[in-house]
Amino acid sequence: DAGITQSPRHKVTETGTPVTLRCHQTENHRYMYWYRQDPGHGLRLIHYSYGVKDTDKGEVSDGYSVSRSKTEDFLLTLESATSSQTSVYFCAISESEGNGYTFGSGTRLTVV
Amino acid sequence: EDQVTQSPEALRLQEGESSSLNCSYTVSGLRGLFWYRQDPGKGPEFLFTLYSAGEEKEKERLKATLTKKESFLHITAPKPEDSATYLCAVQGISGSARQLTFGSGTQLTVLP
Repeated sequence: DAGITQSPRHKVTETGTPVTLRCHQTENHRYMYWYRQDPGHGLRLIHYSYGVKDTDKGEVSDGYSVSRSKTEDFLLTLESATSSQTSVYFCAISESEGNGYTFGSGTRLTVV
Repeated sequence: EDQVTQSPEALRLQEGESSSLNCSYTVSGLRGLFWYRQDPGKGPEFLFTLYSAGEEKEKERLKATLTKKESFLHITAPKPEDSATYLCAVQGISGSARQLTFGSGTQLTVLP
């Protein structure tokens, strides 16, 4: 997907455990985003980054944290997974704020 | 708060039967309106960006138009391979609205 990869693609985890999802890009884009997609809700922004170590909260940030120590990597951490965080998580990148986003293939996370 | 409403939620067409998808939006200052296509199990794929009322963009059998309150995605003589979920998103000009806000999508099925 145009130089953006997400890992893992699928994960099952238990309630209360920490989980980290990784987004890696080879496009050297400044902006990176984490969205979750749920039936009936569409894509909702969790966190985004506008540069190394520069991050901000999105619409549904509670229970999530992010880190960006390098341009190419954006990590999403669920500090203590809950069943309500079962979802498909998409990472996206953009060169500037006015451009369309390029999305990764997604991570399907199931919290049991 | 930015809002995006897409209709219909689902649409079934016969091959060759033209139709339109609607995206109604409210945003305090539109920077851009984006259309994406999403296939099952994949991330959204960028189609078009529209920036101002009256603008039109075309790609193969798809044509996107924009007014001050809504956008239409016209599909002319669709083929089964056009079956997908089509997502609309808006981007505002300030604050948290600089990030994309998505609608819930229209699931299009084109029958042979």
